[in-house]
Amino acid sequence: NAGVTQTPKFRVLKTGQSMTLLCAQDMNHEYMYWYRQDPGMGLRLIHYSVGEGTTAKGEVPDGYNVSRLKKQNFLLGLESAAPSQTSVYFCASSRDRSEQYFGPGTRLTVT
Amino acid sequence: SQQGEEDPQALSIQEGENATMNCSYKTSINNLQWYRQNSGRGLVHLILIRSNEREKHSGRLRVTLDTSKKSSSLLITASRAADTASYFCATSSYGNNRLAFGKGNQVVVIP
Repeated sequence: NAGVTQTPKFRVLKTGQSMTLLCAQDMNHEYMYWYRQDPGMGLRLIHYSVGEGTTAKGEVPDGYNVSRLKKQNFLLGLESAAPSQTSVYFCASSRDRSEQYFGPGTRLTVT
Repeated sequence: SQQGEEDPQALSIQEGENATMNCSYKTSINNLQWYRQNSGRGLVHLILIRSNEREKHSGRLRVTLDTSKKSSSLLITASRAADTASYFCATSSYGNNRLAFGKGNQVVVIP
């Protein structure tokens, strides 16, 4: 089992560009999450999904969109990147409301 | 909003010593979880304690939960250099499908 994988690992964008981060899990988990981690801020939830075809806003959803067309995939989109979106992005999945399994992260820099 | 708040935020100890870190939260919880994050990596789940439990052990880890004080502690006994990491507490509240993470404790174990 690969667990939770994230693509890409690193990316540099210019302000205004768009991109999609892909998260995939092979554990048949219902719940999936996107977080961002900034120095001194801990993890902040961007969006999450409680099942295929569902999405919900987290703590800091502005500037991001998500889609969960397949149970195993959760996509995070940035339509028009801003320097404030420079961060490390983590995807996670869980079977229920218990432990979450995290991916290795995507380091995004917006210049 | 962030619910878990760890204290202290940075701890430096000698190998073999015990490390203790605390977490407080504000609202009623379903469970409280502790995660470890090694530098540049995703978070790894360590232990989950439910609201009706007071203490839980897993290997060298001991977690306590005091719901009356809305606080938890994580004790790592006989620390090793490999325990050097950031440790996060996260709370799951009733009727909520997400975790609220604290800002993390940096623990450095000196060989």
